[in-house]
Amino acid sequence: SQTIHQWPATLVQPVGSPLSLECTVEGTSNPNLYWYRQAAGRGLQLLFYSVGIGQISSEVPQNLSASRPQDRQFILSSKKLLLSDSGFYLCAWRSADTQYFGPGTRLTVL
Amino acid sequence: GENVEQHPSTLSVQEGDSAVIKCTYSDSASNYFPWYKQELGKRPQLIIDIRSNVGEKKDQRIAVTLNKTAKHFSLHITETQPEDSAVYFCASSLDTGFQKLVFGTGTRLLVSP
Repeated sequence: SQTIHQWPATLVQPVGSPLSLECTVEGTSNPNLYWYRQAAGRGLQLLFYSVGIGQISSEVPQNLSASRPQDRQFILSSKKLLLSDSGFYLCAWRSADTQYFGPGTRLTVL
Repeated sequence: GENVEQHPSTLSVQEGDSAVIKCTYSDSASNYFPWYKQELGKRPQLIIDIRSNVGEKKDQRIAVTLNKTAKHFSLHITETQPEDSAVYFCASSLDTGFQKLVFGTGTRLLVSP
């Protein structure tokens, strides 16, 4: 069966510090992968999606970037965090018609 | 691009009552409509979905209806229970080989015992 992992689960970072969040999927190959952000009490905003290794599409221009160095690995990064980057970051993968979410990383920028 | 509106933003019902959440979408070509339930601090989880070639789908106490002409779809929960309390999100997608979901803003459902 397929499993999606994210780490870390929680993170507290100072403004201006770098960021690296990791997502890995098990039990499938060449999945479509997604990064979403959810601000406190808000909906889900699509940040990036990927159809394969090295193929990244950005939905929202901002100080975040994404990379897919391996088939089942998706990384979200930032060189300098802003206060507005705080939120719940969710990775998702697609199986047939459905997107399944990982457990998420809760990021607080102070 | 696609836009999804969701109402109401909050919904309070008594245990055993029915709850209805409505969403409208803007792109008439959208063809896939999932509903997710998100409990506090947890990931969203798919509870039911419907494709544009179907008007209604039911799974136990949960049903979804789709009106393509009016471009709206609704989630119906019957015999609500306290464990149904959560935030519910609708979404729509035009599946052209790559799926990009556009989410509604969410409905907070509170079921009181």
